[in-house]
Amino acid sequence: QSVLTQPPSVSAAPGQKVTISCSGSGSNVGNNYVSWYQQLPGTAPKLLIYDTHKRPSGIPDRFSGSKSGTSATLDITGVQPGDEADYYCGTWESSLTGGWLFGGGTRLTVL
Amino acid sequence: QVQLVESGGGVVQPGRSLRLSCAASGFTFTDHGMHWVRQTPGKGLEWVAVISYDGDNIYYLDSVKGRFTISRNNSKNTLYLQMNSLRTEDTAVYYCAKDLARSYAVLGMDVWGQGTTVTVS
Repeated sequence: QSVLTQPPSVSAAPGQKVTISCSGSGSNVGNNYVSWYQQLPGTAPKLLIYDTHKRPSGIPDRFSGSKSGTSATLDITGVQPGDEADYYCGTWESSLTGGWLFGGGTRLTVL
Repeated sequence: QVQLVESGGGVVQPGRSLRLSCAASGFTFTDHGMHWVRQTPGKGLEWVAVISYDGDNIYYLDSVKGRFTISRNNSKNTLYLQMNSLRTEDTAVYYCAKDLARSYAVLGMDVWGQGTTVTVS
C-alpha cells in the first residue's frame, strides 16, 4: 500500500481530457514539489512533470501538473493512443524517516 | 548524450550478495544526487536509495536498511548498490536514475537507465 494514493486506472477516448490524482499528506505532497513519470510498456520511466508544474524540454504542453494542499494532479488534454501507459507521481517524504515516495501508479487506457 | 547504463544483475540464491553498477556519461556526475529504483514485474515503482552529489547524504527504503549500501565513485562517474542478505522479495528490475537537483535537495529523477534484472531464487 503506497503512502501516495493514485487511482489504479483511468480511461479516455482520443482527444478527451483525463485527470490523474495523487493524494498524500502534509509531510510529503503538502510540503514538497511533486513530479510525474510516464512508463510505456517495456520501457524505463520518463519524467513528465517536475517541480509540481514544470515540463522538461520535449514534453508537449498537453501534459500539465498542479497541486492543491495535499493532493497533486496530472492533466492530459487531447489524449492520444501513444499516451497509453502507466503514470506515477513522486515526492520527498519530509518526516524523520525521509526518503522518496512513488504513488502506486495509474494505468491510462485510450479507448 | 546523457546516459546511464546499469550492470551487475543476475540470478542469486537467498542470503547471498550482489553488487550493481551504474555508469554515467554526458553530464557532470559530481553535480547530482543519484537514485536506485526497483520494479517487480507487473508492479509499480519502488524507490530504494538516494545518495547526494558528494556522498555525504544517504537515505534508504526501510526494508533494505542494513542490507543494501549505496555508494558512488565520482572519479569514475559510477554509482553502486551493494546488496547483501538478499531475499526473494528483492527480485526486481533495478534502475539507476539521476536527480534533477544540483544540491542536497531531492527533486525527482530526470534521467533513467534501462534497468538490470535481479532474481533472488
